[in-house]
Amino acid sequence: DAGITQSPRYKITETGRQVTLMCHQTWSHSYMFWYRQDLGHGLRLIYYSAAADITDKGEVPDGYVVSRSKTENFPLTLESATRSQTSVYFCASSPTSGEDTQYFGPGTRLTVL
Amino acid sequence: DQQVKQNSPSLSVQEGRISILNCDYTNSMFDYFLWYKKYPAEGPTFLISISSIKDKNEDGRFTVFLNKSAKHLSLHIVPSQPGDSAVYFCAASGTGSARQLTFGSGTQLTVLP
Repeated sequence: DAGITQSPRYKITETGRQVTLMCHQTWSHSYMFWYRQDLGHGLRLIYYSAAADITDKGEVPDGYVVSRSKTENFPLTLESATRSQTSVYFCASSPTSGEDTQYFGPGTRLTVL
Repeated sequence: DQQVKQNSPSLSVQEGRISILNCDYTNSMFDYFLWYKKYPAEGPTFLISISSIKDKNEDGRFTVFLNKSAKHLSLHIVPSQPGDSAVYFCAASGTGSARQLTFGSGTQLTVLP
């Protein structure tokens, strides 16, 4: 299916475990982004990528790692999950040219116990 | 320090009336503004945008107004429908921002039948 997908949609894990959230887009967009949504904070940028093998930190990168070996995939890894990382995570993508409109995936709800 | 602020966490409007959602920003470098709509358990979807060279953009029932001197934008929905009930996020980007968006904290709109 065309578009942007995220997996899993729901995940429960324990403190200290490693978790990887997947993001895949079929538009060949250059830019990809990871956000977390928390009550009262809206959407906060964790990491973004301008192209394959190019990544950079956003507003709240601590505790997260990203990679982008292929244009279509942008996985987000929590190396040692903490309770404060309980959140809803959204992946988004944006084309190289034109306006700065981003297109979002359906989200992953992560609970860290 | 929040660069994009939505000071009303919630708004209730009667069906058929006008909904006005407000957003303020502090960064003078922002030159492109967007509104996203979000239903529960879904990702944000792009609704409408406006460039800083304009002061109004209209798309069907949705109109966005930009007041650059006041650093204020608003989204008008006329007439409001029950299906418009959702969280609305204001977002902004600036030239050279690598297509990053800064989001407000969102306003929950409830349209009452």
